[in-house]
Amino acid sequence: EAQVTQNPRYLITVTGKKLTVTCSQNMNHEYMSWYRQDPGLGLRQIYYSMNVEVTDKGDVPEGYKVSRKEKRNFPLILESPSPNQTSLYFCASSMQGLGNQPQHFGDGTRLSIL
Amino acid sequence: RKEVEQDPGPFNVPEGATVAFNCTYSNSASQSFFWYRQDCRKEPKLLMSVYSSGNEDGRFTAQLNRASQYISLLIRDSKLSDSATYLCVVNGGSGYALNFGKGTSLLVTP
Repeated sequence: EAQVTQNPRYLITVTGKKLTVTCSQNMNHEYMSWYRQDPGLGLRQIYYSMNVEVTDKGDVPEGYKVSRKEKRNFPLILESPSPNQTSLYFCASSMQGLGNQPQHFGDGTRLSIL
Repeated sequence: RKEVEQDPGPFNVPEGATVAFNCTYSNSASQSFFWYRQDCRKEPKLLMSVYSSGNEDGRFTAQLNRASQYISLLIRDSKLSDSATYLCVVNGGSGYALNFGKGTSLLVTP
């Protein structure tokens, strides 16, 4: 089954404790992206990757890191999480990053930073 | 001005009603347009792409007006299962970024 898989689905942690949210897709997609969704603000792009070893900042990259060492994986790293990073996070992928293709989303990761 | 703007609603309509949502976008160079559906606390899912000539998929019709820079979604014969948030999505013109509207909430009641 074609899918985008995020882990964990839920995480409660404390300020400053490094965490990684994994994202994996099995569709051989070149483009992958991370979003956060907050009430009243909609979906905002954090980082995206056009292909392996190619990443770029989205609208709200501060406090986040990403890597794309393999085509299928695109982890999101919070080196020193803070409460303002409490949010619902989505990973998405599409065949190419030309903006003319729909994106497939993972189930989401709900992060709470205390 | 926001890249993509939608009326947040909520739109409360009875079953069987016809409802229309509009969405405006600011970047005249945008080339790709989509409507996504998002159920509460779930991931967004593609509802339909929006083509220049307009397109229809069952009870759903999407239209694009480039001159006025808006897209619309029409839902006919609303079902209870249509209750969700509908996200307007527009590419950023540069080709890479997708800009999401904040969504329009629809509640279909018996």
